[in-house]
Amino acid sequence: GAVVSQHPSWVICKSGTSVKIECRSLDFQATTMFWYRQFPKQSLMLMATSNEGSKATYEQGVEKDKFLINHASLTLSTLTVTSAHPEDSSFYICSARDLAGQAGNTIYFGEGSWLTVV
Amino acid sequence: DQQVKQNSPSLSVQEGRISILNCDYTNSMFDYFLWYKKYPAEGPTFLISISSIKDKNEDGRFTVFLNKSAKHLSLHIVPSQPGDSAVYFCAASAEGGSEKLVFGKGTKLTVNP
Repeated sequence: GAVVSQHPSWVICKSGTSVKIECRSLDFQATTMFWYRQFPKQSLMLMATSNEGSKATYEQGVEKDKFLINHASLTLSTLTVTSAHPEDSSFYICSARDLAGQAGNTIYFGEGSWLTVV
Repeated sequence: DQQVKQNSPSLSVQEGRISILNCDYTNSMFDYFLWYKKYPAEGPTFLISISSIKDKNEDGRFTVFLNKSAKHLSLHIVPSQPGDSAVYFCAASAEGGSEKLVFGKGTKLTVNP
């Protein structure tokens, strides 16, 4: 099936610094990518929808100035957590929609990125 | 308001038997449904999907059934294998899957040898 790759898999950063997470669709073009976060024992929470060449659409309650999303190409979206705080520590997962894939409108997920802010 | 509900947080099944995972939804605009499997500290893996124009879709050991009138879908795994032990998420989307996914809270499946 389609492959979505995330990097880094895990990152530790100091409070107040910024960290960037990359999401790449490896074998298909994705005009739309999604960013989620997951807290322990909870479901995936959609943060924002990233559209290639335009501004991301953020879900209610998600600070757009804190979670900067850039979707500069059809295969790459980045999430930058700015001025990170310990409460931002979480598992961040991206996904991409493969419109041309065999399964139609299927969304494939990256491996996820663990962020720990100390 | 939770639009996609997985009311069973966990399910335990014996190897070789059938696993049935259930999912209910409230939004009548949903017309595309997906099941994902997730291991701890990994991203979800797509398993199977179904469009609202169908009531059944089968892929190997996995079958998804959709009952639109009851707003209910289920994932059947048969025969269950220990490697199937994971958290299973039901997800729904509108506009034929073009809209964002709405996830249930997941059901943790344990398949005992």
